[in-house]
Amino acid sequence: GDSVTQMEGPVTLSEEAFLTINCTYTATGYPSLFWYVQYPGEGLQLLLKATKADDKGSNKGFEATYRKETTSFHLEKGSVQVSDSAVYFCALILNTGTASKLTFGTGTRLQVTL
Amino acid sequence: DAEITQSPRHKITETGRQVTLACHQTWNHNNMFWYRQDLGHGLRLIHYSYGVQDTNKGEVSDGYSVSRSNTEDLPLTLESAASSQTSVYFCASSEGGGPNTGELFFGEGSRLTVL
Repeated sequence: GDSVTQMEGPVTLSEEAFLTINCTYTATGYPSLFWYVQYPGEGLQLLLKATKADDKGSNKGFEATYRKETTSFHLEKGSVQVSDSAVYFCALILNTGTASKLTFGTGTRLQVTL
Repeated sequence: DAEITQSPRHKITETGRQVTLACHQTWNHNNMFWYRQDLGHGLRLIHYSYGVQDTNKGEVSDGYSVSRSNTEDLPLTLESAASSQTSVYFCASSEGGGPNTGELFFGEGSRLTVL
């Protein structure tokens, strides 16, 4: 079945460090890919998405490129801030119209310190 | 502003009791979902609905039920609560299909403890 694998956390970085959170997927078709973020005590919110191969999603300084050849969608940010501390979820959906459900990875916790 | 709200935000109950978690959205979205979040498992889909009177089982539906009598609400019922159902529950909604497929709006979560 479809699945998403994320790197284990927690990831601890100093402020202004470079961030990479790895995400790879397995899917039978051609999925759309997403990164969601969950700040402490809140629900998830969409961070960025890419709907086809070689697309780059970006938002709030975060970027991820849909790499079909490596089935990956790694999340990157050039300079993290303390306010980026959160749990990040990679997810996929197969574009089969309304009969579509998100499959989430297990999440990666990011802790940014001063 | 449109929103999605869950209640209660925190609940403690005893094994064997029936519990209902409410979810109400004002986005007028057709799709609604219930997930549970557990350490090491991420989010797992419990039940989902694509419209009024439509309900479907997700990957961890045993012991849970939902009903969809209107567009705005999808209550989640635990028929007989078990300790294994201690978790944080998230409701989400989305538009049906189209370019926004996969863009879910989440509630703030309901933390349930079953003693």
